[in-house]
Amino acid sequence: GQQLNQSPQSMFIQEGEDVSMNCTSSSIFNTWLWYKQEPGEGPVLLIALYKAGELTSNGRLTAQFGITRKDSFLNISASIPSDVGIYFCAGPNSGGSNYKLTFGKGTLLTVNP
Amino acid sequence: DAGVIQSPRHEVTEMGQEVTLRCKPISGHNSLFWYRQTMMRGLELLIYFNNNVPIDDSGMPEDRFSAKMPNASFSTLKIQPSEPRDSAVYFCASSLVLAGELFFGEGSRLTVL
Repeated sequence: GQQLNQSPQSMFIQEGEDVSMNCTSSSIFNTWLWYKQEPGEGPVLLIALYKAGELTSNGRLTAQFGITRKDSFLNISASIPSDVGIYFCAGPNSGGSNYKLTFGKGTLLTVNP
Repeated sequence: DAGVIQSPRHEVTEMGQEVTLRCKPISGHNSLFWYRQTMMRGLELLIYFNNNVPIDDSGMPEDRFSAKMPNASFSTLKIQPSEPRDSAVYFCASSLVLAGELFFGEGSRLTVL
């Protein structure tokens, strides 16, 4: 089946630093989604990307849909302590079952104040 | 507006007992998903309902797992009998648009002793 590889697995950064994480796949995706999960909560959608090459921002977050459609990255600028959490990339499976999302294993972000 | 509501938030039970997890999706959403999250396997789709009808239950691990959606505002996931390897966080999610814009509940953390 389709797999999404996220890197890095974890990051420890100082408040104020910029963060970059990415997600790659051996298969083409037509949609890329980035979710954030805080401790004890469910994942929350941050950004959705629908077009190859698309660059979308949501506040301090910026995500891009790779032109090969096999990768995406998420950047966080000027990190703050509340950015702590696990960031997941996800995309719908191909072949008609577009309700079935494949999730990456996540990038755990820790921000030291 | 209320989000996806799950209950209980935490459940501790003994092996062999029946467990019932409950979910109220966001009003107006026509798709409902049950996911399981573990450290080893990440987020896995268990079952997907569309308009209250189970469409894909291929992710349900065994016959011990069953899910129902008797109406548009309620779903249950039942495990009978439960086993220690069922320990995980179970998420319910709903959506109106396919291709990934899922809204997750806060999850039910299940511990089977």
